[in-house]
Parts: sequence; structure tokens; C-alpha cells
Amino acid sequence: AQKITQTQPGMFVQEKEAVTLDCTYDTSDPSYGLFWYKQPSSGEMIFLIYQGSYDQQNATEGRYSLNFQKARKSANLVISASQLGDSAMYFCAMSPQGGFQKLVFGTGTRLLVSP
Amino acid sequence: NAGVTQTPKFRVLKTGQSMTLLCAQDMNHEYMYWYRQDPGMGLRLIHYSVGEGTTAKGEVPDGYNVSRLKKQNFLLGLESAAPSQTSVYFCASSKNLGTEAFFGQGTRLTVV
Repeated sequence: AQKITQTQPGMFVQEKEAVTLDCTYDTSDPSYGLFWYKQPSSGEMIFLIYQGSYDQQNATEGRYSLNFQKARKSANLVISASQLGDSAMYFCAMSPQGGFQKLVFGTGTRLLVSP
Repeated sequence: NAGVTQTPKFRVLKTGQSMTLLCAQDMNHEYMYWYRQDPGMGLRLIHYSVGEGTTAKGEVPDGYNVSRLKKQNFLLGLESAAPSQTSVYFCASSKNLGTEAFFGQGTRLTVV
């Protein structure tokens, strides 16, 4: 069974600073994908970034990067140069590759960006 | 660019009533999912489908039924609503294995 753990219920960061949101996972699947989603107060789920378990390089998408440490089973999201619009809930998720894609989500981290 | 559309956006039901939530996607995706989101518990998979005519149980399927008669539509049914089914329901779809899922805007359901 797959499990995602997000240990930070809430995080605070000042505008223009960088912030790291933690995510650890547990799986017995040989290959898998890791995702981060953003959920603003309006409620929609917005895809941010994806990392495949066999990808050699850490994924980056604009101000988002995924610090993937396979041996530690961690997939932390790094947001550089935080903006007020980054205030939202952030969910880490994973799915197996080569099998049915059933996304398993963590409980989320609420990020508040202050001026 | 409709993407994934859920109908309705809000609904209040009385205990014991039935209803169907509709999810429609226009991206020709094979995979579709229904999740529920409760405070402090993240998103949990209710049912999913890997193609037209197929459905399978997820993590929390009890009290729900689904159908995928057309590739673009995935219906979630509550036969006899219970207060424990008060939640926000999200539909999602994805094209391939290992790619991101696109979500609908959510349906806020309250059962009184």
C-alpha cells in the first residue's frame, strides 16, 4: 500500500523568501510518480510539478522545484521567491507507474505568505 | 478549454435521499476518478475508471456507485445519503499512466 505523509499542517513565509514543504512517502512499487498540487481558497486543484521515480534530475517548473531524495523517500516542494498568491493548501501525492494510476494524497500543508 | 466539469457545484440533501454527481471531460482521457475531501484527511479515492465501461473501487467506496457508460462521462451516485457523506467531491481525469490528473472545480455536498 502507498502512503504519503505531510508533517507540516501550516507554514509561514515572508514574501520573496523561499520555502520548503515536506513530503515523505512509502511504497513497495518499483516505479512511481510523485506530484504536488496547489489548492487555493477557491477550491480548485492545480497541478504544480511531477517527478518520476527513475528521473535522474529533480523536476523544476518555474519557481517550483522538487527536491527528490529516493533513498530517504522524500519529495519536498521548494517554492522560490514566494508571492502573496502562493498562499494556499499544498498536497503531495503519488501513484504507481505501470499499473492503475490511483493518486494517493497526503493531508496537505497550508502555506501563508505575508507581505 | 472546459477541461473537467462537475455538476452541480453545490447541493444540500436530506438523509436518505439519492442523487447523482456528473463529471464530464473533453480531453479524451482514459482514466477518471472520484475523490472526496474532508478536513484534515486530504483527498481519498472513492472509485475510479480505466476506460469506458469499466469501474473499480478505491479507498472509500462504501455508500457510492459509479458508472462510465461514455468515455467522457463518469457518474457518482449516492443511493441513500448519510450525514457522513457531507464532503467536497472532486472528479479528475488523466491521459496516461504516470501523468498528472486534471481536476474539476469540486462539488460541495451537505447531507442534513
